[in-house]
Amino acid sequence: SAVISQKPSRDICQRGTSLTIQCQVDSQVTMMFWYRQQPGQSLTLIATANQGSEATYESGFVIDKFPISRPNLTFSTLTVSNMSPEDSSIYLCSVAGVPSTDTQYFGPGTRLTVL
Amino acid sequence: SQQGEEDPQALSIQEGENATMNCSYKTSINNLQWYRQNSGRGLVHLILIRSNEREKHSGRLRVTLDTSKKSSSLLITASRAADTASYFCATDAASGTYKYIFGTGTRLKVLA
Repeated sequence: SAVISQKPSRDICQRGTSLTIQCQVDSQVTMMFWYRQQPGQSLTLIATANQGSEATYESGFVIDKFPISRPNLTFSTLTVSNMSPEDSSIYLCSVAGVPSTDTQYFGPGTRLTVL
Repeated sequence: SQQGEEDPQALSIQEGENATMNCSYKTSINNLQWYRQNSGRGLVHLILIRSNEREKHSGRLRVTLDTSKKSSSLLITASRAADTASYFCATDAASGTYKYIFGTGTRLKVLA
């Protein structure tokens, strides 16, 4: 399985600011995804990070709020823009394609608190 | 509509007992995966079961899949306090996309 790291592991931010979360994988992967997990809830898929092109967003999520980059096959960033307390969540990146294209592996998550 | 509704939402058992969690889904799938999450941390992949499989084992874990009923179960035998966690099922959202939709999860507490 792939080793996935995320930075930062946690942060406390002020309303109206933005935070960029990094996801690094130790090997090239086919697919990278970003999820949000609100307190006490399950995971909700935000978008698929596409290498070299714009991310594919799920219903209810837009690029202006959650811009995503994926410059290569091992790295992606998610920015949470113009934050409000409702954005307080755990943000997780996941990858698929190593070694099986079906199994999805997750990073340790970034716990975000917005005051 | 959301895939993967799980029950029970919460389960509390004594150490040494077996724990069974169920997952139901609404549309046809290719694969179903089970994950564990400790205290809001990252998810640990437990087992993937394909639509043409009925049962898989991994250590103390047994997963069954009934595609006619659109349901799956995760059995943890001889539970330990360290098994205390939330358990999620995830079903593939659409063939070929590798996107998964997560269930609501079961919070398991194993009492020592």
